Amino acid sequence: DSGVTQTPKHLITATGQRVTLRCSPRSGDLSVYWYQQSLDQGLQFLIQYYNGEERAKGNILERFSAQQFPDLHSELNLSSLELGDSALYFCASSVGQMGYEQYFGPGTRLTVT
Amino acid sequence: EDKVVQSPLSLVVHEGDTVTLNCSYEVTNFRSLLWYKQEKKAPTFLFMLTSSGIEKKSGRLSSILDKKELFSILNITATQTGDSAIYLCAVFSGAGSYQLTFGKGTKLSVIP
Repeated sequence: DSGVTQTPKHLITATGQRVTLRCSPRSGDLSVYWYQQSLDQGLQFLIQYYNGEERAKGNILERFSAQQFPDLHSELNLSSLELGDSALYFCASSVGQMGYEQYFGPGTRLTVT
Repeated sequence: EDKVVQSPLSLVVHEGDTVTLNCSYEVTNFRSLLWYKQEKKAPTFLFMLTSSGIEKKSGRLSSILDKKELFSILNITATQTGDSAIYLCAVFSGAGSYQLTFGKGTKLSVIP
């Protein structure tokens, strides 16, 4: 158990809908990272927040957005969902801004039908 | 565009064998290379490598980085069935705001 929690574990929704994934980092970690893992693309870095501020951006679609709240939990919002958004979404956390050693949560499995 | 390529994509070995997993990269402003092990779900951190030629070791696992030739290897000696997993290589790169690029992984299966 890494200490990072993610909810929900599974999510099934229809195309065009919007969902919110939630992540609570390990106690003491200020950085939160979001990743998408699909069979064909592998693990892709989406976005990082550090102490409430966006720190780095990866391959995140415009339909996706994220934020980190004052209590350091983070939410990833996915809108106008498409079949291709079906994937495993991981959250990870680290102490500092340069998250060399990141601790991953168990992931949220999103299925878009 | 930053690229990280791992080989082989999959590997089947017998318990006790030694394996070498490869990771090559092409990135702008390299910062560090990381190895992760992914079993059923979430990746777990194994090593971070920043300097060439310095071997990192943890038990039967070791890794080394060659910044001139732009690759890293992960060695596992005396493999056990518990080593069966996907091994992911990732590279931190960029100046200022950074990027983290993962390879597609090597799936290792260790059979008794």
